[in-house]
Amino acid sequence: LAKTTQPISMDSYEGQEVNITCSHNNIATNDYITWYQQFPSQGPRFIIQGYKTKVTNEVASLFIPADRKSSTLSLPRVSLSDTAVYYCLVGEPRTMNRDDKIIFGKGTRLHILP
Amino acid sequence: KAGVTQTPRYLIKTRGQQVTLSCSPISGHRSVSWYQQTPGQGLQFLFEYFSETQRNKGNFPGRFSGRQFSNSRSEMNVSTLELGDSALYLCASSPQSQGNEQFFGPGTRLTVL
Repeated sequence: LAKTTQPISMDSYEGQEVNITCSHNNIATNDYITWYQQFPSQGPRFIIQGYKTKVTNEVASLFIPADRKSSTLSLPRVSLSDTAVYYCLVGEPRTMNRDDKIIFGKGTRLHILP
Repeated sequence: KAGVTQTPRYLIKTRGQQVTLSCSPISGHRSVSWYQQTPGQGLQFLFEYFSETQRNKGNFPGRFSGRQFSNSRSEMNVSTLELGDSALYLCASSPQSQGNEQFFGPGTRLTVL
């Protein structure tokens, strides 16, 4: 599994767009990039997943450059309730009989200020 | 569909005791993974079960074990508890093995005194 590097923490203000970048220099050809959100004392919640270029859903956008060595999670117009830890994962989904382990890094602690 | 459920939600044990945690995955999901989360180490993978077989295992001592039943429900056992085992234990289910999109339960908060 490709190792990921994210900023430890970020602060932003309500109403702003927040971009969290994840580095994954040794991403493999079949790897996908997945982001999770976790609130205190809750399990992580899937946000978005992508392979290349741009993916958008009702919650966020995921930008992946051509070399795929990094990705950026974009949260539009954040609110106080977006304060959480955000995890970036890189790996090959939906493959059985692999020895890879699903690894979460330390994540990025996002703090939204009023 | 009901989400992933974990029982108990909170547990207090003393050193040397053993504990069993339970996880019921989303109906139809055959993969169950267990994680340990602590403030210092973050979210660490324990093991994954798929169709009653352990598929993957993280770097935890043998005191940590698990199993999965034919209905996909899973249990995790920790024997000879240590203070450092105090953590939030999370269970996640997925339709298939190694699925990147996992659905997490609320966790069991274990405190070892």
